[in-house]
Amino acid sequence: QKEVEQDPGPLSVPEGAIVSLNCTYSNSAFQYFMWYRQYSRKGPELLMYTYSSGNKEDGRFTAQVDKSSKYISLFIRDSQPSDSATYLCAMSAHQAGTALIFGKGTTLSVSS
Amino acid sequence: DVKVTQSSRYLVKRTGEKVFLECVQDMDHENMFWYRQDPGLGLRLIYFSYDVKMKEKGDIPEGYSVSREKKERFSLILESASTNQTSMYLCASSSGTSPGGGYNEQFFGPGTRLTVL
Repeated sequence: QKEVEQDPGPLSVPEGAIVSLNCTYSNSAFQYFMWYRQYSRKGPELLMYTYSSGNKEDGRFTAQVDKSSKYISLFIRDSQPSDSATYLCAMSAHQAGTALIFGKGTTLSVSS
Repeated sequence: DVKVTQSSRYLVKRTGEKVFLECVQDMDHENMFWYRQDPGLGLRLIYFSYDVKMKEKGDIPEGYSVSREKKERFSLILESASTNQTSMYLCASSSGTSPGGGYNEQFFGPGTRLTVL
């Protein structure tokens, strides 16, 4: 079993839809959970970060972590064509200095 | 504005060539990373470095080496390029300290798409 599982999609939704992206993981030591967004031909950039369990909201984006189920989610409300990108979940057991374990990424396309 | 730059966006090399991929960050970060990204496999860690002249193997170090002679620069070396090293290579950096106790974001460069013929 891979440490981090993420459905690669692709996922296609109409503008304004609510999008749900998910990852599962197996390593209970993970404490830091990130979502990176990667536009075509660009490097990933951090979108959201959550420590341990709970929710975090930033504008149209909400990140959820359920450590008991080893499951994390990213919700995008009122999706826009500019949200079309690949979304990568990433996790770490340590705050700093260690590399991240990434999911494979989910490719999202939002049509206008 | 934070910046991680990579020497080339696109590179084409022949099998057996020695290839150097350069990465420079201007944020005075202690940590630097090299990943490769392949369709269906995601990002996989090749090597990382916590400090100048320090290096640690990642998940897929075979066929690669690295060099970090200066804090801002981290080089990935393909000693003898092979076709299975055709990939997107991403460099990242992060701070080694976290005064506020929060997560230390990894900042990525734009990537180098390497094709080995």
